[in-house]
Amino acid sequence: DVKVTQSSRYLVKRTGEKVFLECVQDMDHENMFWYRQDPGLGLRLIYFSYDVKMKEKGDIPEGYSVSREKKERFSLILESASTNQTSMYLCASSFRGEQYFGPGTRLTVT
Amino acid sequence: GEDVEQSLFLSVREGDSSVINCTYTDSSSTYLYWYKQEPGAGLQLLTYIFSNMDMKQDQRLTVLLNKKDKHLSLRIADTQTGDSAIYFCAESMGGGSYIPTFGRGTSLIVHP
Repeated sequence: DVKVTQSSRYLVKRTGEKVFLECVQDMDHENMFWYRQDPGLGLRLIYFSYDVKMKEKGDIPEGYSVSREKKERFSLILESASTNQTSMYLCASSFRGEQYFGPGTRLTVT
Repeated sequence: GEDVEQSLFLSVREGDSSVINCTYTDSSSTYLYWYKQEPGAGLQLLTYIFSNMDMKQDQRLTVLLNKKDKHLSLRIADTQTGDSAIYFCAESMGGGSYIPTFGRGTSLIVHP
């Protein structure tokens, strides 16, 4: 079975802090994704990556950056956390369109 | 642009059938998916259908695709309380990126 893990299930950070969310997949998938999920808004794509060191902006990249130094790991970075970035963050990897999701990180910015 | 629409809520009684509906706008969609999200968890791929198919059945799940009307449905037979979750419809065109477009999700509530 494909396994996608995220470094934290719950995270509380202060406004202005730099935040790192880590995601690791074990199936050698080339494509990886970061989404945020908010009530009533569904999933919104922040960034995705086709391969190591490759990244593409999704629908809402503002305030975020990403890093993919190794194929199995895709990191989401909040350079200066703000309260409007309080959300559930979901990482996924994919093969031929079938996406496999991690359990999510619920981030609260106070 | 691409859009996927779903109703937000569905309430059914245990043992009844549930039908969750979805419409999409991109006629070039190749793959259509249903994902399930249980409380506090990530999304889990339930099933998918290729655009050249009309129906796919997998145990209690039946997916129907009306390509002319761009309408997708997921039927869950003999719905159980464990089926309570959010169900997401998604579509993608295929190709190298396979980036799906998701609906906002339908919350299925199953009453005992």
